[in-house]
Amino acid sequence: QKEVEQDPGPLSVPEGAIVSLNCTYSNSAFQYFMWYRQYSRKGPELLMYTYSSGNKEDGRFTAQVDKSSKYISLFIRDSQPSDSATYLCAMSEVPYNQGGKLIFGQGTELSVKP
Amino acid sequence: NAGVTQTPKFRILKIGQSMTLQCTQDMNHNYMYWYRQDPGMGLKLIYYSVGAGITDKGEVPNGYNVSRSTTEDFPLRLELAAPSQTSVYFCASKLHYEQYFGPGTRLTVT
Repeated sequence: QKEVEQDPGPLSVPEGAIVSLNCTYSNSAFQYFMWYRQYSRKGPELLMYTYSSGNKEDGRFTAQVDKSSKYISLFIRDSQPSDSATYLCAMSEVPYNQGGKLIFGQGTELSVKP
Repeated sequence: NAGVTQTPKFRILKIGQSMTLQCTQDMNHNYMYWYRQDPGMGLKLIYYSVGAGITDKGEVPNGYNVSRSTTEDFPLRLELAAPSQTSVYFCASKLHYEQYFGPGTRLTVT
């Protein structure tokens, strides 16, 4: 069993739809959770960073962590064609700003159609 | 700031050849990382460094070597290239919690 599982998609939605991207994990020691966005032929860029359980909102993006279920989600409201990218979840045990190493999911390819 | 730069952008190697992937950052970050990304497999950590002169192995270090003689540079060396090393390689640097990635090097070994 992989430490972090993510549905690779591809996921195709119409513009304006609400998108839900999900990851499950097996290591209960993970405490720091991140979502990265990667456009085609580019490096990943950090989208959201959360610690422990709960929700965090940033504009159209909401990150949700449920540590009891070992499940994290990223919601995108009012999706736009510019949101078309691969979304990678990542997590670490040690505080990331103290050198924690990230374990990445496989990435979900999202396409938002105009 | 240029951020994280990687050279070359593309490279084709024959089996058994060697090469060095270059990575430079101009943000004075202590932490630097090398990842490989295979289709549908996410990112796997190859090696990382917490500062000049200090390096350590990640998940998939076999077949690779690194050095960190300066804060800015973190080259990745491939010795005796194998087809299994065909991948996209990303270098990244980090100061606190945000990791900045370079544009990647696409390597094919045939």
